[in-house]
Amino acid sequence: SQELEQSPQSLIVQEGKNLTINCTSSKTLYGLYWYKQKYGEGLIFLMMLQKGGEEKSHEKITAKLDEKKQQSSLHITASQPSHAGIYLCGADIASNYQLIWGAGTKLIIKP
Amino acid sequence: EADIYQTPRYLVIGTGKKITLECSQTMGHDKMYWYQQDPGMELHLIHYSYGVNSTEKGDLSSESTVSRIRTEHFPLTLESARPSHTSQYLCASAQGANQETQYFGPGTRLLVL
Repeated sequence: SQELEQSPQSLIVQEGKNLTINCTSSKTLYGLYWYKQKYGEGLIFLMMLQKGGEEKSHEKITAKLDEKKQQSSLHITASQPSHAGIYLCGADIASNYQLIWGAGTKLIIKP
Repeated sequence: EADIYQTPRYLVIGTGKKITLECSQTMGHDKMYWYQQDPGMELHLIHYSYGVNSTEKGDLSSESTVSRIRTEHFPLTLESARPSHTSQYLCASAQGANQETQYFGPGTRLLVL
């Protein structure tokens, strides 16, 4: 089983609607990283969270790390076609500077 | 914006051939990584380096080798390609003692026939 679970696996959302993607670990997260990937390309860094309860925003994307530091959510407000892609979370669970990864959430935006 | 490059972007090659995937970064990062990614699956770490002349194997068993002779360059070599090596290979780099924001190259999609 995966150490880092992402949900949902895929998501189809009407343009303009809000959505949330979750990333859950059974272990304490020393750092949680959100990336976006377009099919067949590399990962683009979005945000990094370290402190319990921390919340960061970039344009219409907000990421939160819960107080227990075992779950993070990524929320997109008023989705646009440019938000389509695969969102991946990466986590440092052992503070050894190596990351484990979720399997990704594929986001499709319907016009 | 990260400056990390991978070549080739796409490669189709026959079984048994030797191939080298190139990765270079111009940010002076000490840490570099190679991941393998199959569609719909998580990234698997195959090799990493924390500096020049330092290389380690990752969690995923791999028949590839790497070298780190220069800070900016971290090539990955497959001595004898097999169809099971067909995948996307992603290179990343990072700098920093206390955090691990990794910056990724565009990837190499490898198809072994």
